[in-house]
Amino acid sequence: EAQVTQNPRYLITVTGKKLTVTCSQNMNHEYMSWYRQDPGLGLRQIYYSMNVEVTDKGDVPEGYKVSRKEKRNFPLILESPSPNQTSLYFCASSSRTAYNSPLHFGNGTRLTVT
Amino acid sequence: AQTVTQSQPEMSVQEAETVTLSCTYDTSESDYYLFWYKQPPSRQMILVIRQEAYKQQNATENRFSVNFQKAAKSFSLKISDSQLGDAAMYFCAYRSPYTGANSKLTFGKGITLSVRP
Repeated sequence: EAQVTQNPRYLITVTGKKLTVTCSQNMNHEYMSWYRQDPGLGLRQIYYSMNVEVTDKGDVPEGYKVSRKEKRNFPLILESPSPNQTSLYFCASSSRTAYNSPLHFGNGTRLTVT
Repeated sequence: AQTVTQSQPEMSVQEAETVTLSCTYDTSESDYYLFWYKQPPSRQMILVIRQEAYKQQNATENRFSVNFQKAAKSFSLKISDSQLGDAAMYFCAYRSPYTGANSKLTFGKGITLSVRP
């Protein structure tokens, strides 16, 4: 089954404790991206990646890091989480060859930073 | 930069009735793509329907259809014969073909649809 898998689904942590949210897709997609969803703001892009070792900032990249060492994986790293990073996070992927192709989303990670 | 506006935060519809969710956007581009995504309580983001700006014909997917008014920059979603399973948050989204490597979606704030039995 074609899917984007995020883990964990829920994560509660404390300020300053480094964490990683994993994302993996099995569709051989070149393009992957991270979004955060906040009430009243919709979804906003954090980072994206066009292919292995190619990443770039989205609209709200402060406080986040990403890496793309393998085509299927695109982890989101919070090296020193703060309470304002409490949010719902989504990983997404799509084929780069057709820009009208929809984004396929993971099931989301609910992060709470206390 | 493009913006997407969903001005109604909540709507309600009676089961089996029809409801229309509004979306407007602002862009200077002539070619682009528009999407409606559904987010049920499970949080999953599910593609409902998509529209290519250069196509005059409104997209339709079963009970879901759009009213795409390019000149007015309006992209509303009509749900016919509403079902309890349609209750969810709905997001309107815009994608530009001119952003180079970034296939970014620009989202509206979303609208919460409830369905009354």
